[in-house]
Amino acid sequence: DIQMTQSPSSLSASVGDRVTVTCRASQSISNYLHWYQQKPGKAPKLIVYTASNLQSGVPSRFRGSGSGTTFTLTISTLQPEDFAVYYCQQTYSTPYTFGQGTNLEI
Amino acid sequence: QVQLVQSGAEVKKPGASVKVSCKASGYTFAGYYIQWVRQAPGQGLEWMGWINPNSGDTNYAQKFQGRVTMTSDTSISTAYLDLSRLRSDDTAVFYCAETQYSDDSFDYWGQGTLVTVAS
Repeated sequence: DIQMTQSPSSLSASVGDRVTVTCRASQSISNYLHWYQQKPGKAPKLIVYTASNLQSGVPSRFRGSGSGTTFTLTISTLQPEDFAVYYCQQTYSTPYTFGQGTNLEI
Repeated sequence: QVQLVQSGAEVKKPGASVKVSCKASGYTFAGYYIQWVRQAPGQGLEWMGWINPNSGDTNYAQKFQGRVTMTSDTSISTAYLDLSRLRSDDTAVFYCAETQYSDDSFDYWGQGTLVTVAS
């Protein structure tokens, strides 16, 4: 199975900050890497697909990059609604696996 | 618009089975895969498998092999997740999600179904 490791596991930041979350795969996954945002009691929401493509309706302050084994999600100017848990996921091979999550806190 | 509506919360005893439904609307159900994801309380996301409603093909995570069955009924645009021999550590929210191809990102998700396993 491909292991996905996110760092950091938690992150404290302020409105207006720029933050970066890193996701590393245990083997190359090309660009089969997606990012989700999850708020308490809600289903995950897709924000970036295939490493760098912004999902429709997602603000442009979100940016994904990377390929192979190392990927990043950057939020350029944090807004109050961005505080949530972020997960990366690989769909390169089954079982599709998620990172452990990054809890972005105020 | 795409909508996935899941069945309501369940409470089950250890050893029992549970069947969760996921009713799709707003797209051609048979043309897309349904993925299932589990999230234990306070924990991360865990992929369980997918079903192709058009062919009935399935792909289960090894961890759930032998306990999980994914089915679908195209006549009512509904997918089902059946999990048997429930244990207390199966307590979780179960989500369905729709993807155009099996390895796509999970664009649309159901609202989740909480299954509590307790004696």
